[in-house]
Amino acid sequence: QQQVKQSPQSLIVQKGGIPIINCAYENTAFDYFPWYQQFPGKGPALLIAIRPDVSEKKEGRFTISFNKSAKQFSLHIMDSQPGDSATYFCAASHSGTYKYIFGTGTRLKVLA
Amino acid sequence: NAGVTQTPKFQVLKTGQSMTLQCAQDMNHNSMYWYRQDPGMGLRLIYYSASEGTTDKGEVPNGYNVSRLNKREFSLRLESAAPSQTSVYFCASSDAANQPQHFGDGTRLSIL
Repeated sequence: QQQVKQSPQSLIVQKGGIPIINCAYENTAFDYFPWYQQFPGKGPALLIAIRPDVSEKKEGRFTISFNKSAKQFSLHIMDSQPGDSATYFCAASHSGTYKYIFGTGTRLKVLA
Repeated sequence: NAGVTQTPKFQVLKTGQSMTLQCAQDMNHNSMYWYRQDPGMGLRLIYYSASEGTTDKGEVPNGYNVSRLNKREFSLRLESAAPSQTSVYFCASSDAANQPQHFGDGTRLSIL
């Protein structure tokens, strides 16, 4: 119940494409869903996060879509660029806990 | 404006040696965390400190000890290193539970 399942494991898109990364969870107590971006040799950096009172959140070219009934959330990257090539992690946590549960990561490559 | 600083960046140990990984944050955060990152497994929580003076086990605490030295600093100790502890270790901090966590750039540890 504590797992967050992330797919796909890897993804290759052309510049300008819209990669979509999906995450699914079981624990209905989760109420905070961040996405992290990680470049090689660096730590994960918070990209965007959503709470379940909204179904979508946009920050620049990054959008989170949230489906509470399906217990799924997705990251969309609009007009993807080669500089977006990185590993992306979803995570989940709930009120009163200090523990994030991370997905296993998606390695994205955007071709020039 | 360093954020979360980890030292050292790289280390090679022999089986049975001990080592302490250091972490310091300058964001006046109350909570700090230690994760390990292994290929295909995402980030897994080793220990965390909700506030100065407290520490708690995470998902994979065996073989590790931690010390919350003060509000800024949180160290991770391997008493008798084993090859299974070869990993990349990340420290993170947050203001409170269920809030954004900010990561350092990691310590890459190899145990021969």
